[in-house]
Amino acid sequence: GDSVTQMEGPVTLSEEAFLTINCTYTATGYPSLFWYVQYPGEGLQLLLKATKADDKGSNKGFEATYRKETTSFHLEKGSVQVSDSAVYFCALSDQSYQKVTFGTGTKLQVIP
Amino acid sequence: NAGVTQTPKFQVLKTGQSMTLQCAQDMNHEYMSWYRQDPGMGLRLIHYSVGAGITDQGEVPNGYNVSRSTTEDFPLRLLSAAPSQTSVYFCASRRTVTNTGELFFGEGSRLTVL
Repeated sequence: GDSVTQMEGPVTLSEEAFLTINCTYTATGYPSLFWYVQYPGEGLQLLLKATKADDKGSNKGFEATYRKETTSFHLEKGSVQVSDSAVYFCALSDQSYQKVTFGTGTKLQVIP
Repeated sequence: NAGVTQTPKFQVLKTGQSMTLQCAQDMNHEYMSWYRQDPGMGLRLIHYSVGAGITDQGEVPNGYNVSRSTTEDFPLRLLSAAPSQTSVYFCASRRTVTNTGELFFGEGSRLTVL
């Protein structure tokens, strides 16, 4: 079945540091890929997405590129802020359109 | 615009009790789903629905029932609560049954089973 593997957390960075959160996936066909963010006490919300190979999703300074050859969708940001502290989930939506599979989440803490 | 509304936000049950978690969305979304979130496990799909009258099982359906009598509502029923069902539950909806759309999540329901 489909699966998503994320790097273990928590990740602690100083403000303005470079962020990378690794995500790889296993799926048949051509899934869509997503990054969701969860702030404390809230539900998940979409951060960015890519729906086909080589697409780059971007939002709020975050970027991720759909790499079919390496089955990866790594999340990057050039300069993190304290307000970016949250849990980040990589997810894929399978080609049957019916199931969305999530990774285990990576907690990011940014310190001033 | 309320989006996805879950009730209750918190609930404590005793083993063997039953209860229903409510989920309603006002966006006319076709697709609705229930997830549970556990530490180190991420989100796991319990049940989902692609339209009124149509439901199917996800990854961890045992001990849970769902129904979809209207487009707006998708309640999750715990038939006989067990401590293993202690978790945070999220309802999520999507506009269409395609794999490109984003999921909209409720704020979650924290359930403790003693």
